[in-house]
Amino acid sequence: GESVGLHLPTLSVQEGDNSIINCAYSNSASDYFIWYKQESGKGPQFIIDIRSNMDKRQGQRVTVLLNKTVKHLSLQIAATQPGDSAVYFCAEKAAGNKLTFGGGTRVLVKP
Amino acid sequence: GAVVSQHPSRVICKSGTSVKIECRSLDFQATTMFWYRQFPKKSLMLMATSNEGSKATYEQGVEKDKFLINHASLTLSTLTVTSAHPEDSSFYICSASGVPPYEQYFGPGTRLTVT
Repeated sequence: GESVGLHLPTLSVQEGDNSIINCAYSNSASDYFIWYKQESGKGPQFIIDIRSNMDKRQGQRVTVLLNKTVKHLSLQIAATQPGDSAVYFCAEKAAGNKLTFGGGTRVLVKP
Repeated sequence: GAVVSQHPSRVICKSGTSVKIECRSLDFQATTMFWYRQFPKKSLMLMATSNEGSKATYEQGVEKDKFLINHASLTLSTLTVTSAHPEDSSFYICSASGVPPYEQYFGPGTRLTVT
């Protein structure tokens, strides 16, 4: 069936550097994507979203890029901080307002 | 932003007993609530979708008689794990969705341990 997946399970990054987290999706009909951050023992926290009619969207220190040609989504975190250490999930909104989550990438920020 | 709470945050129960988890939208009316299950180091898997006043819609492979969902009001949904077994031990997360654009707001999760 359709799925949303990630390439890298763990990303180690030096504090202050930029982080890039990738996500591949397979449902070409998907028109809305969301990135979530999940800290240990907590629920997912909304970071940023993007609709399929856009290629790029920026937030505070975060940028989401969407490449519909290759069905690829990425999250860029600028000047990564220790508080950014968490697991990041991409999610695809499907019919009925349901979310399908990718496998997740753990980001470890080294001081 | 919208706030969703879950209670309890952690629960330990004995095998064969039932446990109820509450999900509340604190500052908005949630027409739809979703229940997810998350195993350690895994992603969230949707279990069911519940609309206020209607029967829940379960995802394929989720036993509706084992995971009873009630959405009796616009601010409360409950998930009851019946006759719990150790393999039901997991992190259960709810989300609530209200007015357009129907953003899902997630609760903090409930850690269930069945001994």
